[in-house]
Amino acid sequence: DAKTTQPTSMDCAEGRAANLPCNHSTISGNEYVYWYRQIHSQGPQYIIHGLKNNETNEMASLIITEDRKSSTLILPHATLRDTAVYYCIVRPEGGGSQGNLIFGKGTKLSVKP
Amino acid sequence: DAGVTQSPTHLIKTRGQHVTLRCSPISGHKSVSWYQQVLGQGPQFIFQYYEKEERGRGNFPDRFSARQFPNYSSELNVNALLLGDSALYLCASSGGQGMGNQPQHFGDGTRLSIL
Repeated sequence: DAKTTQPTSMDCAEGRAANLPCNHSTISGNEYVYWYRQIHSQGPQYIIHGLKNNETNEMASLIITEDRKSSTLILPHATLRDTAVYYCIVRPEGGGSQGNLIFGKGTKLSVKP
Repeated sequence: DAGVTQSPTHLIKTRGQHVTLRCSPISGHKSVSWYQQVLGQGPQFIFQYYEKEERGRGNFPDRFSARQFPNYSSELNVNALLLGDSALYLCASSGGQGMGNQPQHFGDGTRLSIL
């Protein structure tokens, strides 16, 4: 089972920041927080990941709380093309079966004009 | 640079048949994983291969098998197809052994429909 809890759906106005929350209260010290998104009929797209520190790349920012029990993915200026299902995943450091991704149901983000 | 490529994109089979799905990883990636995504659900892990060896297996029956070739491409085989095997089959590649700090990158999948 997925170790994360996300809201089922969220709306965001085009041009505004989209803040997607994720709870992972049972996360272990060697587990990373990953975010993927899936646009209809496409494969999941990697967005960002982090262990303890906040991370930023060209797509998004990841804010991880100090106790690591929750995180927020921030899309700074949402566009209509950001409409997708967003998955928050915790992933152990080990490889093999341990390193596979366990997807929950994600958050359906709808960006509206 | 080319991403993960999968073939075919769509496939229709009947119950009892077998199917082979193919995946080419991103250049330089040695680890390939397979996932099954049924409608309305998130992807579910099937297999992981690294250096031609199976390194991980999810909770799928023995009808599902896979292999990895010396060029790191991979095949997923499913025998005795059931209606419930209808799904999007996704391949993902990553560098190294697929460790937790190495992102997996997905192809757009093969849509398999069983009649």
